[in-house]
Amino acid sequence: DARVTQTPRHKVTEMGQEVTMRCQPILGHNTVFWYRQTMMQGLELLAYFRNRAPLDDSGMPKDRFSAEMPDATLATLKIQPSEPRDSAVYFCASGSPGLNTEAFFGQGTRLTVV
Amino acid sequence: AQSVTQPDIHITVSEGASLELRCNYSYGATPYLFWYVQSPGQGLQLLLKYFSGDTLVQGIKGFEAEFKRSQSSFNLRKPSVHWSDAAEYFCAVVNSGNTPLVFGKGTRLSVIA
Repeated sequence: DARVTQTPRHKVTEMGQEVTMRCQPILGHNTVFWYRQTMMQGLELLAYFRNRAPLDDSGMPKDRFSAEMPDATLATLKIQPSEPRDSAVYFCASGSPGLNTEAFFGQGTRLTVV
Repeated sequence: AQSVTQPDIHITVSEGASLELRCNYSYGATPYLFWYVQSPGQGLQLLLKYFSGDTLVQGIKGFEAEFKRSQSSFNLRKPSVHWSDAAEYFCAVVNSGNTPLVFGKGTRLSVIA
């Protein structure tokens, strides 16, 4: 059963600490999306990659957020330093090559910064 | 820029009643349209999608949606709602495949006995 795997599922950290969220896309998928979900803003795109290259990261606060794909099986989203306003659910999604495809979502990482 | 509007923040229906969730999009060309469902604490699951062709699309769990270009709408329907359908529903649009989805704010569905 192919699925997008995100770790950790939950993270509580203190303000100022570094947070790293990981995503394993579905094998063979060449596109990875990072979304953030909050009550106020809904689902917002933070960044996305195709064939491991970043195509758009305009949704990310550049001073504290960074996203990378060290290899085709791993995508990371890092926040340093974290702030209480970063508390949200972070979703990773992946998509297969082709035009008529959809994004498959992971279970999300619920981040709480205190 | 593309945008999606889901006018209803919260809808309550009785079990067994019919359901229609509204979605309007703003996009110049024919978009690709999606409905996703999110249960509490879970990720988003695809219910159905429209790329081209027949404007009435069937999805999983007995859901269907109809693309109406003249109204820029893609409303989701189900003839008889089950208690397990209680969840958050998101409409989304992209301008081509495998590009970032633009989501509506979601509609929360509650089902009462």
